[in-house]
Amino acid sequence: NAGVTQTPKFQVLKTGQSMTLQCAQDMNHNSMYWYRQDPGMGLRLIYYSASEGTTDKGEVPNGYNVSRLNKREFSLRLESAAPSQTSVYFCASRDWGGAKNIQYFGAGTRLSVL
Amino acid sequence: QQQVKQSPQSLIVQKGGIPIINCAYENTAFDYFPWYQQFPGKGPALLIAIRPDVSEKKEGRFTISFNKSAKQFSLHIMDSQPGDSATYFCAASWEGGGADGLTFGKGTHLIIQP
Repeated sequence: NAGVTQTPKFQVLKTGQSMTLQCAQDMNHNSMYWYRQDPGMGLRLIYYSASEGTTDKGEVPNGYNVSRLNKREFSLRLESAAPSQTSVYFCASRDWGGAKNIQYFGAGTRLSVL
Repeated sequence: QQQVKQSPQSLIVQKGGIPIINCAYENTAFDYFPWYQQFPGKGPALLIAIRPDVSEKKEGRFTISFNKSAKQFSLHIMDSQPGDSATYFCAASWEGGGADGLTFGKGTHLIIQP
């Protein structure tokens, strides 16, 4: 049971380049999330998907797009990377129901934009 | 607008001491308050959570105290150990909001000295 898997683990981009961060979960969860973590800023929600086929903006969506490809996969795309997007990106899925409300996080993608 | 304020930013405690991390929230609609623990190079993982119908919750050496009228909650770690050294995030969400993501505090870097 792998949980939440993110690829790649590290990436260096030049300003203006594009890339897609991949995320997959094997826990059959409906809801998935993308956060970014910056020093002293905590984790901030970029986009989320309540279920397959739906996506919604979070706190900091500008410069990003997402795709919920199927129930397992939720990708984050940077169309034209900027230095301000240098960050650690975390994907999460949520186990929700009854008394449970747990978000499970991947190990993160460390992105540098030069 | 920061909806969850966390303090202190960093904390150093001797082994066996009781570190206390405090959080305050603004949105009275929040009804779920988890704490996440993050080790270097890893994603956050749920440590303990509380809902506002109780004032305290204990799980092992970890205790959440909750004060609804003051809109504050805190994490206490009893008999702290060097292995507890990590970054701790408080968070909040409105479960009635469906799949909305968590709103995180900025984090506390905790060091337990041997």
